[in-house]
Amino acid sequence: QQQVKQSPQSLIVQKGGISIINCAYENTAFDYFPWYQQFPGKGPALLIAIRPDVSEKKEGRFTISFNKSAKQFSLHIMDSQPGDSATYFCAAERGDSWGKLQFGAGTQVVVTP
Amino acid sequence: DTAVSQTPKYLVTQMGNDKSIKCEQNLGHDTMYWYKQDSKKFLKIMFSYNNKELIINETVPNRFSPKSPDKAHLNLHINSLELGDSAVYFCASRNVGIGELFFGEGSRLTVL
Repeated sequence: QQQVKQSPQSLIVQKGGISIINCAYENTAFDYFPWYQQFPGKGPALLIAIRPDVSEKKEGRFTISFNKSAKQFSLHIMDSQPGDSATYFCAAERGDSWGKLQFGAGTQVVVTP
Repeated sequence: DTAVSQTPKYLVTQMGNDKSIKCEQNLGHDTMYWYKQDSKKFLKIMFSYNNKELIINETVPNRFSPKSPDKAHLNLHINSLELGDSAVYFCASRNVGIGELFFGEGSRLTVL
């Protein structure tokens, strides 16, 4: 049973547009919420992460919004570029879980020129 | 200088065979992982070792046996391969506690 639900499954956005990916979770014990980016033929790589004590974190064109009461978090990619075309995974983890990251199903983002 | 390296990158084999995948990390991390990514790209943890001790063992068939000779290496041996074992297997590492997980480039296993 998937503990982190991610949507949409895929997304096509024009260059310069905004990509938005949403995730929801049930387990209130989760206290770390990273996003990973994966290019074809490569392993996932950490993009940005947030703890539940903040509602937003921004790094460059990437922003995580976190809504603790709704148990939802989202990734916004501003000014999307063709180089952002990749699969994005949200994830969640409990501090006492020894690294047992629960991943969402992934969103394939395609940025058209 | 690759941080987490896996070999081989590709494996094509027949059903019933046994195969191994090796992983090495040069980041000085104390915890290593095996993740499986299926054809729909879903990532699921299989095993985790901390300082050579098994700490996470998900519901994985006992045909899969991890081995950690030291904290920089984690190998995965798979016996009696089945069609459903076809997937990309990722090794990852980090220090214990919450933080960035560093993944290798994956080993694509195809069972015919």
